[in-house]
Amino acid sequence: KAGVTQTPRYLIKTRGQQVTLSCSPISGHRSVSWYQQTPGQGLQFLFEYFSETQRNKGNFPGRFSGRQFSNSRSEMNVSTLELGDSALYLCASSGVGTGNYEQYFGPGTRLTVT
Amino acid sequence: GIQVEQSPPDLILQEGANSTLRCNFSDSVNNLQWFHQNPWGQLINLFYIPSGTKQNGRLSATTVATERYSLLYISSSQTTDSGVYFCAVERGGTSYGKLTFGQGTILTVHP
Repeated sequence: KAGVTQTPRYLIKTRGQQVTLSCSPISGHRSVSWYQQTPGQGLQFLFEYFSETQRNKGNFPGRFSGRQFSNSRSEMNVSTLELGDSALYLCASSGVGTGNYEQYFGPGTRLTVT
Repeated sequence: GIQVEQSPPDLILQEGANSTLRCNFSDSVNNLQWFHQNPWGQLINLFYIPSGTKQNGRLSATTVATERYSLLYISSSQTTDSGVYFCAVERGGTSYGKLTFGQGTILTVHP
């Protein structure tokens, strides 16, 4: 089985712009979670989608949003970028519903905001 | 929310030594995972271990759910074991898909 894939792998944006990141889960997985990793705050949960519905959301401003498509692929969007949004963004998928909550992570998208 | 504490924060070993990493958590969980983050940032799954004991080669892990801690054992360490090790947990109930991570243990193995 192919693993979780994320595109793009690297991105450089300017303050005030917006960005969209993409995540394709493992085949058959319907849950996708997103995380932000920074040196100061560590790994923090952004949100989780299951069957196109956001079921859980972390403590991030409304500039951070996401969605999930019928094929379980997910996107996250950050609008009005700030310097502090520079981070590694990771997505993970899991096959919840089977009683196994194990999450599998993609390689991440490294976003730099200048 | 649930708290996750990892210890030690840093660990320096000589190749061949054994080590134990600890993860304490503050509430009952339905998911506990150990990860190794490689130099490129990807989180590599080591164990999915909400309870019990598992072994995979030189690595093993034990979670005592009733006492809210987990241990990761690395035996006969190699330089390739260097990196950051994370413990992450998910509470039951409505914590859908939300892993809470510890701050990590930075392991350095010298030849």
